[in-house]
Amino acid sequence: DQQVKQNSPSLSVQEGRISILNCDYTNSMFDYFLWYKKYPAEGPTFLISISSIKDKNEDGRFTVFLNKSAKHLSLHIVPSQPGDSAVYFCAASEVFGNEKLTFGTGTRLTIIP
Amino acid sequence: EAQVTQNPRYLITVTGKKLTVTCSQNMNHEYMSWYRQDPGLGLRQIYYSMNVEVTDKGDVPEGYKVSRKEKRNFPLILESPSPNQTSLYFCASSSSGGAGQPQHFGDGTRLSIL
Repeated sequence: DQQVKQNSPSLSVQEGRISILNCDYTNSMFDYFLWYKKYPAEGPTFLISISSIKDKNEDGRFTVFLNKSAKHLSLHIVPSQPGDSAVYFCAASEVFGNEKLTFGTGTRLTIIP
Repeated sequence: EAQVTQNPRYLITVTGKKLTVTCSQNMNHEYMSWYRQDPGLGLRQIYYSMNVEVTDKGDVPEGYKVSRKEKRNFPLILESPSPNQTSLYFCASSSSGGAGQPQHFGDGTRLSIL
C-alpha cells in the first residue's frame, strides 16, 4: 500500500523553464513533507520541506506547495538548470511516527540544454 | 565534513553467508535509520534507533538485525542473507528534532545475494 505516490516516473524540461514535480499521499496523519534529490551512486540529499500548517515554502529556485484537502504537494523549480537533472523523491513523516520517512517511488527529472 | 559513511559500497555474496554493512556518522546525531530501495517501491525503513541502545523495527525488518552500542555507529547485520535481500541500502541520521527533521543519507550499499 503506497502511502506516498509519485505518478510520473520521468519528466523532461527545457533549461530555463519551470519544472513541476507532483506527489500525492493517502495518510492524513502525515505532518511534514520533504523533497530529496538523488544523483546516481549517491545518497538522497535534502532539498526542501514543508509543515502541514503551511501551504507554501520557498528556498531560492525551489518552492513546495501543499494542498492538504487534496492530499497533494508539488515542487516547483524555476528556472530549471542542467544540474537539476536527478531523481526527486517526495517523503512524508508523522508527528508520532518515530521520525520515519515514507518515500514515494521517485521522478527522474531531465533538463534539456 | 559532515557525513554518513557506509561500507562496503558494493558486495556480491552467496545465500546464507553472514554479512555486516557498517554505518558511521560524524554529526553527533541521536537518530539513525536503515532503508532499502527497490524498483517501484521507493525507500522503505528497515530499522531505526532513537539513541544508544535504543533500536526498533521499521516497515521491513525481517531477516535483518541492528545494534547501537555507540552513538556514531549503526551496523546492519544480515545473519543468513537470501536473494530477496538483494537491494540498495541507505543509512541515514538526524538530530532528534522530531518529525520533519531532515535526514542525512550515506551514499548507499548495493548488495547482491546469489
